[in-house]
Amino acid sequence: DGGITQSPKYLFRKEGQNVTLSCEQNLNHDAMYWYRQDPGQGLRLIYYSQIVNDFQKGDIAEGYSVSREKKESFPLTVTSAQKNPTAFYLCASQGQAYNSPLHFGNGTRLTVT
Amino acid sequence: QKEVEQNSGPLSVPEGAIASLNCTYSDRGSQSFFWYRQYSGKSPELIMSIYSNGDKEDGRFTAQLNKASQYVSLLIRDSQPSDSATYLCAVNMRGGYQKVTFGTGTKLQVIP
Repeated sequence: DGGITQSPKYLFRKEGQNVTLSCEQNLNHDAMYWYRQDPGQGLRLIYYSQIVNDFQKGDIAEGYSVSREKKESFPLTVTSAQKNPTAFYLCASQGQAYNSPLHFGNGTRLTVT
Repeated sequence: QKEVEQNSGPLSVPEGAIASLNCTYSDRGSQSFFWYRQYSGKSPELIMSIYSNGDKEDGRFTAQLNKASQYVSLLIRDSQPSDSATYLCAVNMRGGYQKVTFGTGTKLQVIP
């Protein structure tokens, strides 16, 4: 089945450690996105990528980094510079058709203590 | 002004009633509009897409778009307790692969 896979589902880290969240899609979508969601809040865009080897900062990119070496993969690294990293992280992809909607993975819940 | 605005709710409706969810957006050049449903602790799932002015119906759901007023709404007919969730409005600001911006969502509670 085609879809978006995020791993792990839950992730626990100590403060000061970098952590990488995985996102893989087999939908053959060009565009991929990372969002962050805090309790009771909407989705805020961290980074997005429209093609391989290219990506743009979203509204809250500080303290995060990404790479897009393969079309299928868009990993997100949460660095120690991110002040409040505990959140629900959502990866999404978007198809090639004009005005296609986003398709989401199941999310990774990151807790940093 | 926020780019995409929604009333956070909660919106409470009795079972079987019509739930009306509203969203306004700031960019007049926006091309496409989406409604997502999100259950607590889960990822958003797409309910409706709408691109042209007017109404679009899919089962119990109707999306309405008015580009002149920069307004999009979602009607849920015959509301069920299983419809209780947060509904997110999303707007593709420029069309194509440009960034998709979400509202903060409206929490809907359907009372049995």
